[in-house]
Amino acid sequence: EIVLTQSPATLSLSPGERATLSCRASQWVSASYLGWYLQKPGQAPRLLIYGAFSRATGIPDRFSGGKSGTDFTLTISRLEPEDSAVYYCQQYGNLYTFGQGTKLEIK
Amino acid sequence: QVHLVQSGAEVRKPGASVKVSCEASGYSFTTYYLHWVRQAPGQGLEWMGIINPNSGSTAYAQRLQGRVTISRDTSTNTVYMEMSSLRSEDTAVYYCARGYSSDDAFDIWGQGTMVTVSS
Repeated sequence: EIVLTQSPATLSLSPGERATLSCRASQWVSASYLGWYLQKPGQAPRLLIYGAFSRATGIPDRFSGGKSGTDFTLTISRLEPEDSAVYYCQQYGNLYTFGQGTKLEIK
Repeated sequence: QVHLVQSGAEVRKPGASVKVSCEASGYSFTTYYLHWVRQAPGQGLEWMGIINPNSGSTAYAQRLQGRVTISRDTSTNTVYMEMSSLRSEDTAVYYCARGYSSDDAFDIWGQGTMVTVSS
């Protein structure tokens, strides 16, 4: 099973700042099969990024996906209070696994 | 509009079974795969299984194999997830989610169904 490790576990930033979340896979994952989701309390997850780089329908361009070496990244620029949530990465190229999540708090 | 609407909360005793439904609307039911994902209280997301609504073929997470059965009814555009031999550790919110193919991201999710296993 491919294990995804997200860092940091918690991130606390102010409005207007930029957040960078990381996701590292225990074995090779094609960028084509890496996604990011956002989940707010009491809600279902929502797809943000698919194929590592592509924004899902309706997702603002403040959200961008990237790859740096073996790590996949989710960058959120110009943070807004409503960006407070838990963010999960997922690989869907070899069955399906999720990272443990990064909790983003907007101070 | 595309929707996945799930059945309501359930409470079961240990050893019992539960069946949760997920009704799809707003798109061609047989065109998209459907997954089940669960989330224990305060925990992360765990993939449980997948069904191809067109063929009915399924695949399950190895650790749940034998306890989970996913089925579909094409006449009502509904997918079902049944879990047997329930334990307290199965207490979780259960979600259905759609993917265009078996190796695609999950673009639409149901609202979730809380299943509580308690004596």
